[in-house]
Amino acid sequence: GDSVTQMEGPVTLSEEAFLTINCTYTATGYPSLFWYVQYPGEGLQLLLKATKADDKGSNKGFEATYRKETTSFHLEKGSVQVSDSAVYFCALTLLMDTGRRALTFGSGTRLQVQP
Amino acid sequence: DVKVTQSSRYLVKRTGEKVFLECVQDMDHENMFWYRQDPGLGLRLIYFSYDVKMKEKGDIPEGYSVSREKKERFSLILESASTNQTSMYLCASTVRDRASGSYNEQFFGPGTRLTVL
Repeated sequence: GDSVTQMEGPVTLSEEAFLTINCTYTATGYPSLFWYVQYPGEGLQLLLKATKADDKGSNKGFEATYRKETTSFHLEKGSVQVSDSAVYFCALTLLMDTGRRALTFGSGTRLQVQP
Repeated sequence: DVKVTQSSRYLVKRTGEKVFLECVQDMDHENMFWYRQDPGLGLRLIYFSYDVKMKEKGDIPEGYSVSREKKERFSLILESASTNQTSMYLCASTVRDRASGSYNEQFFGPGTRLTVL
């Protein structure tokens, strides 16, 4: 079935370092892809999304490009801040047997940014 | 501002108790979801509802039931709580899918951390 694989964390970086969090997927058809972020003590919130191949989602300095040829949607940021410390989830739409759609999530990657 | 609220942030129950987790959204969304979040497993879908009184099983429905009597409210019920249901429970909602198949963002509540002793 459809699934998402993320790199395991935690990822520990110094402030202003470059960030990459890898995400690959397996899916039938053409899913939409998402990155969600969960700050400590909060629910998930959408960070960015891409709905078709070669789309680039971007928000708050984060970017990810939908690569159909490599089935990937890696998250990048050029210069991380302490406030970016959170858990990041990659997700894709899942077309269920009933024709309804839901999201399937990766296991999450914890990012810790040190001053 | 978009809002999904959950009835409790923290809950402690005993094995065998009946547990109700409530979720309310104020965005007039048709679709509502219940997930559980466990370390190393990410989020797993328990149930979702695409309309009032309608429900569909997710990946891990065993031991749970749901109720959607009003559009804005989606309840998760643990008929007889067990220790392996200790987890973080997240509720989410989204608008109905459009004919094009593009998927709209899900809005999440803050979560309920349930401990079953």
